[in-house]
Order: sequence, then C-alpha cells, then structure tokens
Amino acid sequence: GAVVSQHPSRVICKSGTSVKIECRSLDFQATTMFWYRQFPKQSLMLMATSNEGSKATYEQGVEKDKFLINHASLTLSTLTVTSAHPEDSSFYICSARTGHDEAFFGQGTRLTVV
Amino acid sequence: DAKTTQPPSMDCAEGRAANLPCNHSTISGNEYVYWYRQIHSQGPQYIIHGLKNNETNEMASLIITEDRKSSTLILPHATLRDTAVYYCIVRVGGGNQGGKLIFGQGTELSVKP
Repeated sequence: GAVVSQHPSRVICKSGTSVKIECRSLDFQATTMFWYRQFPKQSLMLMATSNEGSKATYEQGVEKDKFLINHASLTLSTLTVTSAHPEDSSFYICSARTGHDEAFFGQGTRLTVV
Repeated sequence: DAKTTQPPSMDCAEGRAANLPCNHSTISGNEYVYWYRQIHSQGPQYIIHGLKNNETNEMASLIITEDRKSSTLILPHATLRDTAVYYCIVRVGGGNQGGKLIFGQGTELSVKP
C-alpha cells in the first residue's frame, strides 16, 4: 500500500508553546489529507480535511485558530497546535487520500504538553 | 451519513477464523464498506473494502449481505499479531468533502494462544 509518514512520532512541549506535526505522502500525491485526534481508549476523531492549495475544512467543535493546517504541496500537510495546553495532549494521526480514492494513515504523533 | 454498529470486543483462538460482524442498516446505494484495524499506538491499517460483492485479498475476506445492511470481516487463520481494534466504516462520499472516514468505536479483537 501507499506510504504516509508523520514526523515527529513523539513530542513533549511546554504549556503555551506551539508544536508542528508534518504529514507526508512518500510515494503518491495527495490532494486531500485528513487530521485525526485520538484520546486514550477512544476512537479516532476527525478534526479537519486539508486540501492542497486551499483552506482546511474543520469539523464542528474544532478550533481553527488553535489547530492550524497548511497543505502547501501535494505531498505535505502540517498541523500546528498553537499555545498548547495539557488538555491538548493526545495522539494525532494524519491520513492521505490517493488518486484511487483510498486512504492511508501515518503512524501517528504522540503529543504530551507539560 | 450511514452509521455502523459493532460488538465492542471479541475473542478468537489462534489459528481459527475470526468473524467480525458489522451492521450498517442505513447505508445508501453508493456507499462503500471499509475495514481498518489499529494496533495499539499505531495509525490505522487498511484491510479491505467493498460495495456489494464479496471481496477477498491477502489479509481477509469481506462478506456483504444482499441487502447491504450488514457485513462480516473474516480473518481466515488468526494469529497473535491480529490482536487489534477493527473498525467498520461506511465511507462518506460526494462533493468537496467526499472521502471522509468517520470512525466508530470498533471491535477489540483479542487472539489468544
């Protein structure tokens, strides 16, 4: 299957700082990428849909000014958690859609805000 | 959006077939059934998908009922490495926001020696 890479896999940051997470499609171009968040023992929650060259579409209840998404190229989308707080600690996962309309997932990023 | 219902957990003996059911009674005619699994602390892994015909690949088989209101994922010879949460998802399609995968709670499959 297609390969989607996330970086970093783990990050610890201080409260009030910002953290950027990268999602790359390594062997295909992805006009659409998706960002999810997952809390312990819960399912994945879709946060936003990232479209190359246009603004992201956020799901209801997700603060667009706090979770900044940039999809500047066909192989890279970034999620920046701004002014992070301990309640933002979570597992963040991206997904990229191929030209054949399949979705492949990155390995996830474990964010811990202290 | 069609929703899915899965049992929260199941056990399976190693080497036996694991049959994971999913109900999606409100599925519409152009919606596909997708199956993904998530091993602890990893991103979801694609398994298989189908529209109305049964499908088989190297990982699993997908059996969809004729009325499409339910389906079963079959892992023919479960191994310990198949222990994971299995998600049955009906794909939202169409328009500018087509292709979103909305995850339910899934089934936690435990394969036991």
